[in-house]
Order: sequence, then structure tokens, then C-alpha cells
Amino acid sequence: NAGVTQTPKFQVLKTGQSMTLQCAQDMNHNSMYWYRQDPGMGLRLIYYSASEGTTDKGEVPNGYNVSRLNKREFSLRLESAAPSQTSVYFCASTERPGGNEQYFGPGTRLTVT
Amino acid sequence: KNQVEQSPQSLIILEGKNCTLQCNYTVSPFSNLRWYKQDTGRGPVSLTIMTFSENTKSNGRYTATLDADTKQSSLHITASQLSDSASYICVVRGAGQAGTALIFGKGTTLSVSS
Repeated sequence: NAGVTQTPKFQVLKTGQSMTLQCAQDMNHNSMYWYRQDPGMGLRLIYYSASEGTTDKGEVPNGYNVSRLNKREFSLRLESAAPSQTSVYFCASTERPGGNEQYFGPGTRLTVT
Repeated sequence: KNQVEQSPQSLIILEGKNCTLQCNYTVSPFSNLRWYKQDTGRGPVSLTIMTFSENTKSNGRYTATLDADTKQSSLHITASQLSDSASYICVVRGAGQAGTALIFGKGTTLSVSS
């Protein structure tokens, strides 16, 4: 039981490049989330998926797209990376929407030059 | 505006000492309050979750308190260990909010030295 896994762990992009961050959970959770964490700021919600087949914007969705591929997987795509998207990205899951126990992945550290 | 404020921003203590971290929030209405521990380079891990009716909840050497009237919470760490060095994040969920939005504090960075 690996919990929440994320790939890659580290990535460096040039401005304008695109990439997809992958997230998978093996806990049979219904809800999944993408956050970004920046120095001196709390985690901020980018997008979430309350259940398979649904996605909704969070606090800071601009510049990102998501896909809930199936119940296990939730990916985050940067179509045209910008330096402002340099951050640590965390994926999380809960058993149900708003569920009390939120499990986080190890994070992806992204640098955009 | 819904906010979660944590203090102090950082703290250094000697191994074996106790410490208390503070969390004040303005989220309303209130559903629950969570404390997470985040080790450097890792994702946050839940320590405690408290609802409106709970005043105290413990998890080993970690004890969280909640005063819903004053909208304050504290996390007390007893007999600190080097492994307690981490960032501690207070998170508040408002009842009835659309989706699953949580309000995250900026965290308190705790350093335990020998």
C-alpha cells in the first residue's frame, strides 16, 4: 500500500515548455486534489476532483489543467510554463469529498527558468 | 475574509523541552480544525482533527486544544525529540463551503537541537 505517489520528484522547465505531473493513489479514495506550496505561504488549492469524472477549480487554477483519468489517477498539466509556476506541487486524496483524513503525496519540486 | 494565522513563525528549542504552537482563525462557519506535520522535503501528515465540540485531542506526545468561542487552537509538544523538527501546519475547514476548500496556515517551523 503505497498511499499517494507522485512523479516526477524534481523537474526543471524552460519558460513556455509544457509538462504533466502525475499522481496516483491506491486507497480507493473518491476525491483527489492538487496544491502548490510556495515559501512563506500556506498550501493553495489549484484543482480538485470530488469524484471520478468531475473536476473543479480551486483558489489558483490559472495556467493549469487537470484530468481525472480514472479513480486512481489525477494529473496536472502546465501547457506553457511560466517562472511564477516555480513551486512545490502536492497531490492529496480523501475517501470522500471533504473527508477528514487527507493523505498527501511526497511532492514534485518544479523550477521554471 | 477566511484566514488562519499561526505563531510563532519559527521556534528553536532544546531536545527534551516542551513547546506550544498557536493557531488563530477567522473561518466561519467552522467545521473542523486539523494539525499537520510536514518534514522537510515531504508531504504533510495529519496529527489531529478536531470538530466544534472537541476541546482536546492527543496523539502521543502531541496534544491539540481548541476554543471555538475565541477561534483559537494550540498544539503542545511534550518532551521534544530531534525528529520533531518540522513545519507544523494548522488547517481549518469551514462548514458548507463549496467543494472541499480548506484554509491553510503558513506553518510554524520548529527546530529541536541537542
